[in-house]
Amino acid sequence: KQEVTQIPAALSVPEGENLVLNCSFTDSAIYNLQWFRQDPGKGLTSLLLIQSSQREQTSGRLNASLDKSSGRSTLYIAASQPGDSATYLCAVRLGDNTDKLIFGTGTRLQVFP
Amino acid sequence: EADIYQTPRYLVIGTGKKITLECSQTMGHDKMYWYQQDPGMELHLIHYSYGVNSTEKGDLSSESTVSRIRTEHFPLTLESARPSHTSQYLCASRGAGAPEAFFGQGTRLTVV
Repeated sequence: KQEVTQIPAALSVPEGENLVLNCSFTDSAIYNLQWFRQDPGKGLTSLLLIQSSQREQTSGRLNASLDKSSGRSTLYIAASQPGDSATYLCAVRLGDNTDKLIFGTGTRLQVFP
Repeated sequence: EADIYQTPRYLVIGTGKKITLECSQTMGHDKMYWYQQDPGMELHLIHYSYGVNSTEKGDLSSESTVSRIRTEHFPLTLESARPSHTSQYLCASRGAGAPEAFFGQGTRLTVV
């Protein structure tokens, strides 16, 4: 059974720091991995999607990497800002015929001025 | 930009009431999903649909039901709400062959 774990569970940093959020999954047979942002009490905003054949994706200050064989993905946030404060979720899409996303519990990030 | 909408955003309702949570998308996506998220916990899939008249149960057992009469619409119904149904419900959709899932803003349900 696929399990997704995110470390750390919470992170509080001063503005300007570069951050690394970690996501690990137990079954490497994934179709893709997606990083989301969730603001308190709100839905999910898709940040980056990495196909299983890809190693990384970049969008602005965000860079996500994928090492499928070791079951790990990292989300790198450069020059963090208070507006980056949110919960960051990773989700893997299984490699079988299902379209299900399996989510981690998230990393709650707070960036203070 | 994703065009998927959920209503209501917040709902507080008494035990025993029937409720329907609405989810609509204007992207013509065939695949739609309902996830449930308790505070501080991960999202769990409770229902999904691959197209009109197609509905399946997800990994997490739920007393809710869904219907898919139109492509753009995927409502979730609770016939008799209970406090244990208090949670956030998130709707998502994905186009056929497309890798990325898009989520709505969620409905935060409180049953008192």
